Parts: sequence; structure tokens; C-alpha cells
Amino acid sequence: NAGVTQTPKFQVLKTGQSMTLQCAQDMNHEYMSWYRQDPGMGLRLIHYSVGAGITDQGEVPNGYNVSRSTTEDFPLRLLSAAPSQTSVYFCASSLQPSSGNTIYFGEGSWLTVV
Amino acid sequence: AQSVSQHNHHVILSEAASLELGCNYSYGGTVNLFWYVQYPGQHLQLLLKYFSGDPLVKGIKGFEAEFIKSKFSFNLRKPSVQWSDTAEYFCALHNAGNMLTFGGGTRLMVKP
Repeated sequence: NAGVTQTPKFQVLKTGQSMTLQCAQDMNHEYMSWYRQDPGMGLRLIHYSVGAGITDQGEVPNGYNVSRSTTEDFPLRLLSAAPSQTSVYFCASSLQPSSGNTIYFGEGSWLTVV
Repeated sequence: AQSVSQHNHHVILSEAASLELGCNYSYGGTVNLFWYVQYPGQHLQLLLKYFSGDPLVKGIKGFEAEFIKSKFSFNLRKPSVQWSDTAEYFCALHNAGNMLTFGGGTRLMVKP
């Protein structure tokens, strides 16, 4: 049981490049989500998914795409990277959150856009 | 829209001092409330959560939090902090709409 696995851990991109942050969980969790963490702003929800084939926007979705073709994987795509997307990204997963289930976080992906 | 406010952005304490970190939220419906901790260079870990029942919730490492519905608050407390409690602490709210909203975080530094 590896929990929530994110790759890569560190990435430097040039403005305009695209990339995908990978997230995988092996706990058969229905709910998966992506957050970005910026100083003084806590974690802000980018996109989330309540099950395979279902995704929805969070608080700050612009510039990001997601898909959920399997229960295990929830990749986050940056379409055309901008310096404003320099941040630490966390993937999270859980069973039904409103039932009080614990939300598990990955170890984070540090992204720098130059 | 729901929101979570943590008014203390930075807190500095000496070892053995008592800790209270404020958390206020705005949401009119039923909520689940959480405190997460992030040690330097690490990911978030759950300290405690309030789902229902006793409003005084005890978590790991001697932390506790009290849900006061009338004040829309969920403050985190610890009677005696240790140097190893140096970390950033996040309050979070989850509602039936499946959105988890975080506060801006409080950086705690404990001086040995």
C-alpha cells in the first residue's frame, strides 16, 4: 500500500511549455483532488474528481486540465506554463469525504516556471 | 461560498508554552472540520477532525480542538508545545458539496 504517489517531485519549466503532474493512489479511493500551495494562501483547490470519468473545477482551475480515466490515476496537465503557476502541488485522495473519511495527501510536486 | 480564516499567520513560542491557534469559518450548513500539520519539507498530515458528536476533539501528539458552532470557530490547542511542533498548521472545512477549503495557514516556531 503506497498511499498517494506524485511524480515528479521537482520540475523546472520554461514559460509556454506543457507538462503533466502524475498522481496515483492504490487505496481504491473514489475522491481525488489537486491543490496548489502558495505562501500565505494555504492550499487552493484546482480540480477534483468524485469517481472515474467525473471531474469538476475547484477554486483556481484556469490553466489546468484533468482527466480521470481510472480510479487509480488523476493527472494534472499544465497546458502552457506561466510564472504564476510556480507553486507546490499536492494531490489528495479519500473515500467519501463527507462521511468523515481521512483525506490522504501526496508528498508534493515543486514546480518552477521561468 | 465557504471560507476559512486563520488570523495568526506567524506564532513564536518558547518550549512548554501553551498554544492556541484560531480558525474561523463561514458556511451555513453542516461541516466537517480538520486541522492538518505540515512539517518542514513534508506533506500534510491529519492532526484531528471534527465530524459530529463531542465538540472537543482530541488528536495526535497532544493536540485538541474545540468546535464552537455559535462562533463558527474550531481553534487548535496544546497545553505545552515542544520544539518538534515547529510546523505550519492548516485549518480546513469540508461540506456536503465535497469541497475541502483550507485556511491560509499559521507558521508556528517553537524556540528551544
